[in-house]
Amino acid sequence: QKEVEQDPGPLSVPEGAIVSLNCTYSNSAFQYFMWYRQYSRKGPELLMYTYSSGNKEDGRFTAQVDKSSKYISLFIRDSQPSDSATYLCAMKTGSARQLTFGSGTQLTVLP
Amino acid sequence: EAQVTQNPRYLITVTGKKLTVTCSQNMNHEYMSWYRQDPGLGLRQIYYSMNVEVTDKGDVPEGYKVSRKEKRNFPLILESPSPNQTSLYFCASSSMSGAKNIQYFGAGTRLSVL
Repeated sequence: QKEVEQDPGPLSVPEGAIVSLNCTYSNSAFQYFMWYRQYSRKGPELLMYTYSSGNKEDGRFTAQVDKSSKYISLFIRDSQPSDSATYLCAMKTGSARQLTFGSGTQLTVLP
Repeated sequence: EAQVTQNPRYLITVTGKKLTVTCSQNMNHEYMSWYRQDPGLGLRQIYYSMNVEVTDKGDVPEGYKVSRKEKRNFPLILESPSPNQTSLYFCASSSMSGAKNIQYFGAGTRLSVL
């Protein structure tokens, strides 16, 4: 069983929809949780960063962490065609430098 | 502009022919890392380096070598490439200060081994 599970999609939504992307994990030592966005033919770029449980909002994006359920989510409100990308969750323990990534969810927002 | 630069972006080679993929960062980061990305498997770490002359294996190091002779450069070496090393490779770097370890990625190198 992988340490981090992520539904690969693909996920296709109409413009303006609310998108929910999710990851589950098995290692209870993970404390830092990230979402990376990867456009086609590009490297991943950091989108959201959260520490421990709770919500974090940045514009149209909200990252949510539920450590009791070992479940993290990324919500995108008022989705735009420019949001079309692969979204990767990543996480790490407190002291480690190494990140553990999910396999990524491919999202397409249709105009 | 802060960036991680990988070269080449695309490479087709044959089994057994040694190759090197270069990686350079201009952010004075201590930590550098190589990943491979395969469909359904996500990003898997090959090797990482926490500073000059300090390297260590990641999750999938077999068939790869690295070196860190200078802080800015972290080349990935395939001494005898095989078809199962056909993949998309990413170099990343981050600062060692603080706990966050926000990694900055290069644009990727798509390697095909025939």
